[in-house]
Amino acid sequence: KQEVTQIPAALSVPEGENLVLNCSFTDSAIYNLQWFRQDPGKGLTSLLLIQSSQREQTSGRLNASLDKSSGRSTLYIAASQPGDSATYLCAVAGNTPLVFGKGTRLSVIA
Amino acid sequence: DTGVSQDPRHKITKRGQNVTFRCDPISEHNRLYWYRQTLGQGPEFLTYFQNEAQLEKSRLLSDRFSAERPKGSFSTLEIQRTEQGDSAMYLCASSLQVSGNTIYFGEGSWLTVV
Repeated sequence: KQEVTQIPAALSVPEGENLVLNCSFTDSAIYNLQWFRQDPGKGLTSLLLIQSSQREQTSGRLNASLDKSSGRSTLYIAASQPGDSATYLCAVAGNTPLVFGKGTRLSVIA
Repeated sequence: DTGVSQDPRHKITKRGQNVTFRCDPISEHNRLYWYRQTLGQGPEFLTYFQNEAQLEKSRLLSDRFSAERPKGSFSTLEIQRTEQGDSAMYLCASSLQVSGNTIYFGEGSWLTVV
């Protein structure tokens, strides 16, 4: 059974800092890994999708990497802003539909 | 592309009542998913459809839960005889049937059982 773990559970940083969120998964037989953002009380917004054959994806200030063999992914956020404050969720797709971690709650302090 | 829409956004119901949620996926998407999320947790898979066929159901989906997608377009999720433990956000998502495609989520339907 696929299990996804996200570390840390919560993170507070000053504005402008670069930061890394971590995601690990137990079964490396995945099709892809997706990072989502969730604002309080809202649905999920897709940020980046990395196919199993890819090593990384970039969108603006976000960069996600994937090391399938070790079961790890990181989401790098450059020059953080207060508007980046949200919960970030990692999810993997394999033989079962998306399996999510519990998320990392990020607060960026102005 | 109007995105995935869900209705109602919020529902408060008394224990024992039945509730139904509706999801309208992105129009060309043939896969539709239902997830449940409680506070502080990630979304948990409930069930998914490919066109009108329900292909997989989680063991979380007790016999009080039923989902349909009668014409392969919108879907409904009904909860019968609601319990306080059913209080959660119910999320709908859709995608194209292509391995590795992005899954798009709606804003969710909040259920509070009192």
